[in-house]
Amino acid sequence: AQKVTQAQTEISVVEKEDVTLDCVYETRDTTYYLFWYKQPPSGELVFLIRRNSFDEQNEISGRYSWNFQKSTSSFNFTITASQVVDSAVYFCALSEALSGNTPLVFGKGTRLSVIA
Amino acid sequence: DAMVIQNPRYQVTQFGKPVTLSCSQTLNHNVMYWYQQKSSQAPKLLFHYYDKDFNNEADTPDNFQSRRPNTSFCFLDIRSPGLGDAAMYLCATSRETGGANQPQHFGDGTRLSIL
Repeated sequence: AQKVTQAQTEISVVEKEDVTLDCVYETRDTTYYLFWYKQPPSGELVFLIRRNSFDEQNEISGRYSWNFQKSTSSFNFTITASQVVDSAVYFCALSEALSGNTPLVFGKGTRLSVIA
Repeated sequence: DAMVIQNPRYQVTQFGKPVTLSCSQTLNHNVMYWYQQKSSQAPKLLFHYYDKDFNNEADTPDNFQSRRPNTSFCFLDIRSPGLGDAAMYLCATSRETGGANQPQHFGDGTRLSIL
């Protein structure tokens, strides 16, 4: 069975601090995809990144970076120099890659509050 | 420009009164999904369409139905809404490309309230 655990329910940081959101996953599949989504207060889910299980390279996109470690089944997300606009709920998700329309399994989300 | 459009943004209905939520897309994606998200919880998949093939999740209540008359539109029908069905309903689309799991693109959601 697939499972995604985001142990941090809520995090508060002061603006300009760095913050890391943890994600640990479980799957028996050798091929799978991992995702991060951002859900601001307005409600829409915004896609941030997709990573497949064969690509363990870390990725950086502006202030965002992702650390994929297959050995520990983790896919952590770091925001550098956080800003108030980063305040949102962040979801980590997993899907099998057997076919292109397998559903996402979401973690419970981490609510990030960035205080000015 | 919005690519996955959900109408209305807020919907209020009465207990037991049927309600339909709509979703349209301009991405020409072949897969469309409906998720239910209750307060402070993760989105939960209700069902999805792969082209015209309907795939229901095992624990989706019978009260929830869906229609996809064409590629662009997908509807969520709640036949007899109960208080427990108050939630945000999210529509998403993705493009199936022979095994490579493409990201899902979400609409803004419809927040459903039951009186």
